[in-house]
This record gives sequence, C-alpha cells and structure tokens, in this order.
Amino acid sequence: ILNVEQSPQSLHVQEGDSTNFTCSFPSSNFYALHWYRWETAKSPEALFVMTLNGDEKKKGRISATLNTKEGYSYLYIKGSQPEDSATYLCASEGTGNQFYFGTGTSLTVIP
Amino acid sequence: DADVTQTPRNRITKTGKRIMLECSQTKGHDRMYWYRQDPGLGLRLIYYSFDVKDINKGEISDGYSVSRQAQAKFSLSLESAIPNQTALYFCATSDGLQPQHFGDGTRLSIL
Repeated sequence: ILNVEQSPQSLHVQEGDSTNFTCSFPSSNFYALHWYRWETAKSPEALFVMTLNGDEKKKGRISATLNTKEGYSYLYIKGSQPEDSATYLCASEGTGNQFYFGTGTSLTVIP
Repeated sequence: DADVTQTPRNRITKTGKRIMLECSQTKGHDRMYWYRQDPGLGLRLIYYSFDVKDINKGEISDGYSVSRQAQAKFSLSLESAIPNQTALYFCATSDGLQPQHFGDGTRLSIL
C-alpha cells in the first residue's frame, strides 16, 4: 500500500487569487501521477497524467508539475474562479498498475 | 449515454443480504476498477481487472468479490452485507497510461 498525502486538506481563496496544493507519494515503484477534479454529486474528472520527472502539464488556468525523485507534485490554479470550487484528488499509479488516491484538497473560491 | 454506467445509483438494504453492483462501459477499455469512498478516507481500491476473467485484489478486498465475464462489464458483490460497508462505490475504466474514467457512483446503505 502506498501512502499518498495531499495538503492542505481544505482551502478557501478569494476570486482572482492564485493557489497551489501538494501531493506527495512514495517514489519507489512509481509509474504515473494522476490529478482529478471532483465536484460534489459528480464523478471525478481527469485533469492530468504525468510520468516523467520534471513533467509539466497545463490546461487553461490549471497546471501541474512532477518531481519523481523526491515524490511530489504541485497543482496550480491561476486567477481562481468560483467554478474552480471542487475537491482535487491526486493518485499515484504504481508499477503494478494499482492506483492509490490521496484524500483530496477541498477548494472553495469565494466570489 | 454515459461511457461508464453504474447500477443501481442508490441502494438501501439490510445486514446479511447479498448485493450486486453492476458496472458497464462503452469505451472499449481493458482495465476496470472498483473503489469505495468514505468520508475523510478518499478513494480506496477494492478489486481491479485488466482483461476478461482477470481478477486482482486491491487494498480492501475482504468481504467483496467481483466478476469480469465480458470486457464491458465488471460486477461487484457483497456476499453478506455488513453496516461498515455503507459507502459510495465507484467503478472506473482506463486504457494503459491514460486517466481513469469514472461512473457516477452507487450510494449503498446497509442497515
């Protein structure tokens, strides 16, 4: 079992602020790191999959980086909007292709 | 139509009953997964399958069984339900190094 930890657990920001959160994972037997966005009463929706150390991905105002040597990934949201309010989950996929999810960071963007 | 369909969406049942949750997908993916979500614990993997009749235990398989008789279908059974199996259950599919696609979830309550 891999321990995937996310911080902070929850976050409130003002509309227009930029924010970031962290996902840490064991670097041994690492295969890929996944980020998902999960809105209340919906199913998790994929944001990014990253595999290589130094990978950076971007989708609109959201971007992510990966450091496989030290076992962490950052998710950044630039200019937060109320519609960005959701729980952001990361998951580490091991070499056995099992997925281990963190408990998520709950983001609330205040208008 | 949803790519990953879970049935039922909600179920209330009694301790000791046998319950089956169904998952079907139209994405043509080989890999299918069952997770449960409990407050504060994130998503935990129950079982996963990479092909028809391929079954692998996840993090919390005790008390559950699965069946993969066709590529498009992956069912989860609780042979004798107990109250601590009350949770939100998600099915997901993926295709190699790709994000997982989730169903809408099944909310199961065991009295």
